[in-house]
Amino acid sequence: KQEVTQIPAALSVPEGENLVLNCSFTDSAIYNLQWFRQDPGKGLTSLLLIQSSQREQTSGRLNASLDKSSGRSTLYIAASQPGDSATYLCAVMDGGSQGNLIFGKGTKLSVKP
Amino acid sequence: DTAVSQTPKYLVTQMGNDKSIKCEQNLGHDTMYWYKQDSKKFLKIMFSYNNKELIINETVPNRFSPKSPDKAHLNLHINSLELGDSAVYFCASSQPPTGVTGELFFGEGSRLTVL
Repeated sequence: KQEVTQIPAALSVPEGENLVLNCSFTDSAIYNLQWFRQDPGKGLTSLLLIQSSQREQTSGRLNASLDKSSGRSTLYIAASQPGDSATYLCAVMDGGSQGNLIFGKGTKLSVKP
Repeated sequence: DTAVSQTPKYLVTQMGNDKSIKCEQNLGHDTMYWYKQDSKKFLKIMFSYNNKELIINETVPNRFSPKSPDKAHLNLHINSLELGDSAVYFCASSQPPTGVTGELFFGEGSRLTVL
């Protein structure tokens, strides 16, 4: 049974720092991996999607990497800003699950001005 | 235009009542989902529908039933509400995972409180 773990559960950094959020999954037979952002009381915003055949994806200050064989993904945020404060969720789509996303519990990020 | 929209955003009701949450997507996607986020903020799949066919049904009580009048809508009906049903329910949609990207797009969520 696929399980997704995110470390750390919470992170507080000063503005301007570069930071890395970690995600690990137990079954490497995934179709893709998505990183989401959730603001308090809001829905999920898709940040980056990495297909199983890809190694990384970049969008602006965000870079996500995927190492399927070791069951790991990282989300790198460069030059963090207070507006980046949110909960970041990692989710994997199992290869045979017809679209079932399995989520980690998230990392709550706080960027202090 | 909101890609995936849910109504209502907030719903407060008494135990034992029956309620519905509506979801519509204007992305032309073939697959729609319902996810539940519990008090610990953990998100878990409840249902997915592909071309009006239920293709995932996790261990969800049969008091919960998804209904899809057409490809753009997937409504969630809940009968005999219980206190433990209080949560935020998210609707999502995607192209089939074997199709384009399998990327999921989520609605803003519907917070259900059962008193």
